Amino acid sequence: DVKVTQSSRYLVKRTGEKVFLECVQDMDHENMFWYRQDPGLGLRLIYFSYDVKMKEKGDIPEGYSVSREKKERFSLILESASTNQTSMYLCASRTGAAHEQYFGPGTRLTVT
Amino acid sequence: GEDVEQSLFLSVREGDSSVINCTYTDSSSTYLYWYKQEPGAGLQLLTYIFSNMDMKQDQRLTVLLNKKDKHLSLRIADTQTGDSAIYFCAEREGGQNFVFGPGTRLSVLP
Repeated sequence: DVKVTQSSRYLVKRTGEKVFLECVQDMDHENMFWYRQDPGLGLRLIYFSYDVKMKEKGDIPEGYSVSREKKERFSLILESASTNQTSMYLCASRTGAAHEQYFGPGTRLTVT
Repeated sequence: GEDVEQSLFLSVREGDSSVINCTYTDSSSTYLYWYKQEPGAGLQLLTYIFSNMDMKQDQRLTVLLNKKDKHLSLRIADTQTGDSAIYFCAEREGGQNFVFGPGTRLSVLP
């Protein structure tokens, strides 16, 4: 059974804190993605990675960075959290140009 | 840029058919997708259609594509309470990335 796991389901952080969101997939997928999901806006792509140590900006990278040191793990970093980063964060992975992206359950982050 | 639009809410009675609509702007989209998100979960791929097709059927699901109008629809026959979820339309040109719509929240009333 394929699996994408995210380190936390719920997270509450204070403004200015550094936040790490971790994602792990067990399918040996090359491609991994971080999205944020907001009501009425759907999913917006923050960053993605095609391979270890490679990263590409998505549509809304400002205020975020990522790290991919190992194939199975893709981390999203908020260097200095702000209230407008309160959102649901979804990680996904996919092999090559396959049609299906496998999503994790999401991390609901609240920044106060 | 690319844009995908959907209505945000739909309510139907159990046993009726549901039709969820989507419009997109990128005429070079190669594939179009429907994903389902159940409460508290990530998205799961329901079905997809290649842009040179106009219809695809898979059990209770029927996808219709009108390429001229850039309109995609998902019909769910005999809608059940377990179909209550958010449904996302997405397009992909052929590269790596999907463009998702805002999602339609389907509520199934008993």
